[in-house]
Amino acid sequence: KQEVTQIPAALSVPEGENLVLNCSFTDSAIYNLQWFRQDPGKGLTSLLLIQSSQREQTSGRLNASLDKSSGRSTLYIAASQPGDSATYLCAARGGSNYKLTFGKGTLLTVNP
Amino acid sequence: DVKVTQSSRYLVKRTGEKVFLECVQDMDHENMFWYRQDPGLGLRLIYFSYDVKMKEKGDIPEGYSVSREKKERFSLILESASTNQTSMYLCASSSPGYNEQFFGPGTRLTVL
Repeated sequence: KQEVTQIPAALSVPEGENLVLNCSFTDSAIYNLQWFRQDPGKGLTSLLLIQSSQREQTSGRLNASLDKSSGRSTLYIAASQPGDSATYLCAARGGSNYKLTFGKGTLLTVNP
Repeated sequence: DVKVTQSSRYLVKRTGEKVFLECVQDMDHENMFWYRQDPGLGLRLIYFSYDVKMKEKGDIPEGYSVSREKKERFSLILESASTNQTSMYLCASSSPGYNEQFFGPGTRLTVL
């Protein structure tokens, strides 16, 4: 059974800092991995999707990497801003079905 | 842009009531999903549907049923609401190929 872990559970950084959020998964036979952002009381916003054949994806100040062999993905945020404050979740899709297995998220606070 | 809408942002119901949560997507996606999100437990899949009138149980289907009569609409039904079903309910949709999941804004359900 796939398990997804995100460490740390919470992270606080000053504005302008570059930071990395970590995601690990136990079953490397994934189809893809997706990163989401969630603001308090709101739904999830898709940030980046990495297919199993890809090593990384970029969107603006965000860069996500995937290393299936080690069961790890990272989300890199460059030049962080207070507006980046949110909970970031990663989710792995298994190879044989549609289901996503979610981590419990990292709560990011960017201080002005 | 993909749009997933949910019928209510906030809902308050009494124990024993029958509750309908509606979800509509406008991107002609085949797959639709219902999750619940609870503090400390993360997102858990209740049911998903990969086609009209087709459904599969997720990880926590007990106490819930679903209906998908039209491709764009996926309903979650609580046959007899109980206080332990107080939660945030999130709907999502995806296409079969690319498989990126897109989420609605969520419904915060309180059962008294």
